[in-house]
Amino acid sequence: GDSVTQMEGPVTLSEEAFLTINCTYTATGYPSLFWYVQYPGEGLQLLLKATKADDKGSNKGFEATYRKETTSFHLEKGSVQVSDSAVYFCALSDSYGKLTFGQGTILTVHP
Amino acid sequence: DTGVSQNPRHKITKRGQNVTFRCDPISEHNRLYWYRQTLGQGPEFLTYFQNEAQLEKSRLLSDRFSAERPKGSFSTLEIQRTEQGDSAMYLCASSLLAGYQETQYFGPGTRLLVL
Repeated sequence: GDSVTQMEGPVTLSEEAFLTINCTYTATGYPSLFWYVQYPGEGLQLLLKATKADDKGSNKGFEATYRKETTSFHLEKGSVQVSDSAVYFCALSDSYGKLTFGQGTILTVHP
Repeated sequence: DTGVSQNPRHKITKRGQNVTFRCDPISEHNRLYWYRQTLGQGPEFLTYFQNEAQLEKSRLLSDRFSAERPKGSFSTLEIQRTEQGDSAMYLCASSLLAGYQETQYFGPGTRLLVL
């Protein structure tokens, strides 16, 4: 079945550092790929998405590129802020729309 | 667009009791999903509806769980004879399927604690 693997956390960075959170997937067919973010005490919010190979999703300074050859969708940001502290989930959707999530990566950014 | 809402936000119950959660999707969204999230894990799919039809149920959804979406609007998720292992966050999401594209928008969740 479909699966998503994220890099183990937690990740702790200083403000303005470069962020990478690795995500790889296993799926049949051609899934869409997503990054969701969960801020403390809040629900899941869509951060960005990509629907086909080589697409780049971007939002709020975050980027991720759909790499079919490496089955990856790594999340990057050039300069993180304290307000980026949250849990980040990589997910894929199958042809029926159902989402399969990774286990989540906790990011903490210190001033 | 007021977003997806879920009620109650928190529920504490004793083992063996029945509980019911409600989800109100974004208006005009034709799909509605239920997921369960346990501490330190990503959400896991439970079931989903397209309009009022329930199209798929996960193996995680035992016969103690039932979901409905009458008239294709709000949805309820009922758990009968709750067990301590049912303690989790129950998430609802809705989407508008247009062609083959959809994006799911999540509610704040209902946190269930079974004592």
